[in-house]
Amino acid sequence: DQQVKQNSPSLSVQEGRISILNCDYTNSMFDYFLWYKKYPAEGPTFLISISSIKDKNEDGRFTVFLNKSAKHLSLHIVPSQPGDSAVYFCAASPAGSQGNLIFGKGTKLSVKP
Amino acid sequence: DTAVSQTPKYLVTQMGNDKSIKCEQNLGHDTMYWYKQDSKKFLKIMFSYNNKELIINETVPNRFSPKSPDKAHLNLHINSLELGDSAVYFCASSRRGFAEKLFFGSGTQLSVL
Repeated sequence: DQQVKQNSPSLSVQEGRISILNCDYTNSMFDYFLWYKKYPAEGPTFLISISSIKDKNEDGRFTVFLNKSAKHLSLHIVPSQPGDSAVYFCAASPAGSQGNLIFGKGTKLSVKP
Repeated sequence: DTAVSQTPKYLVTQMGNDKSIKCEQNLGHDTMYWYKQDSKKFLKIMFSYNNKELIINETVPNRFSPKSPDKAHLNLHINSLELGDSAVYFCASSRRGFAEKLFFGSGTQLSVL
C-alpha cells in the first residue's frame, strides 16, 4: 500500500530548461513533505521541504508546490543543470512521526547538456 | 569529514551467517535511524534511537537487533541471514526538533547468497 507515489520512474530534460518532478500521496494526516536527492553509491541528501500549512516553498533554483486538495506536490528545478542529474525521492512525515518518513520510489532525473 | 559514516560499504555473505553493520555520526545529533532500501527501491524505516533509547521499531524480524552504545553510534546486527535480507541499508541521524531532515550515510549493500 503505497502512501507516497512517484509515478514517473524517469525524466529527461535539456540543460537550462525546467524540471518538474511530481508526487502524490494518499494520507491526509501527513503534515510535512520533503524532497531528497540521491547520487549513485551515496545516501539521500535533504533538498527542500514544505509544511502542510503552506502551498509553496522556494530555495534558490528549487521550488516545491503543495496542493492539499489534490494530495499532490511537485518539485520545480529551474534552470536545470547537468549536476542535478540524480534520483529524487519524495517523502512525507505523519504528525509526530519522529523521523519515520514515508518515501516514494524515486524519479531518476537526467539533465542533458 | 564524513558526517554519517557506515561500514562496510559492501557485504557479501552466505545464508545463515550473522553479520553487523556499524554506523557513526559526528554531527552531535540525538536521534539515529536504520532505513532499508529493498529491491523495489522503497526506502523504509526499520528502527530509530533517541539518545540510546529505542523509539521506533517497525515490523522487522527479531533477527535484526540494533545496538546503540552511545548517541553517536547505532549498529545493526543481523542473525541467521536470509536471501530476502539482501538490500541496501542506510544509517541516518537527525537533530532534536528536526526529525524530518535526515542526514544519511552512504549505505551498505548487503548481498546474501
